[in-house]
Amino acid sequence: GAVVSQHPSWVICKSGTSVKIECRSLDFQATTMFWYRQFPKQSLMLMATSNEGSKATYEQGVEKDKFLINHASLTLSTLTVTSAHPEDSSFYICSALGVSVLETQYFGPGTRLLVL
Amino acid sequence: AQTVTQSQPEMSVQEAETVTLSCTYDTSESNYYLFWYKQPPSRQMILVIRQEAYKQQNATENRFSVNFQKAAKSFSLKISDSQLGDTAMYFCAFMNQRGSEKLVFGKGTKLTVNP
Repeated sequence: GAVVSQHPSWVICKSGTSVKIECRSLDFQATTMFWYRQFPKQSLMLMATSNEGSKATYEQGVEKDKFLINHASLTLSTLTVTSAHPEDSSFYICSALGVSVLETQYFGPGTRLLVL
Repeated sequence: AQTVTQSQPEMSVQEAETVTLSCTYDTSESNYYLFWYKQPPSRQMILVIRQEAYKQQNATENRFSVNFQKAAKSFSLKISDSQLGDTAMYFCAFMNQRGSEKLVFGKGTKLTVNP
């Protein structure tokens, strides 16, 4: 099956610092990558959609200046949480979509972010 | 806008028995995909099964099968011979075949398999 990796899996940072999360499709080319946020016992909330080489499309209510997304290649997308605050603490999940994987989103294992 | 509804917040089943999780959706599109994803305690989202709306035949993956009723906009998941490892949150999801490729998720059903 298609494999998506995410790094780091766990990060603790101080308030005001920036954190970068990487999402990689390991065995397929991802035409589109998605970033989600998930609160405890809730469903996934889509934050943004990114296509390789173009600007990300953010969902309503998501601050694009706080959550910077870069889709540098067909296998790599990064999410940077800038000037993180405790309310940004959450579980962040990426997914990747590629034509070769039958139009199905495959998910990374997620990143737990704790901002102190 | 599409919506996905999972009406069972929690369910439980005995090991080796069969359980069915419900999902309904609302859309005006005729071509789309439906998915069931599983999220175990590790929180890794795992694809369980996928159904193309144009296919009348219900999808099957080993112990997992769906009952897809397009006219009723219903997409239930049947798990046969339940195993302890099936304990997880199960999310039903919808995706348009054209245009936006976003997944629209239901709120999930927490399934517990008891020994």
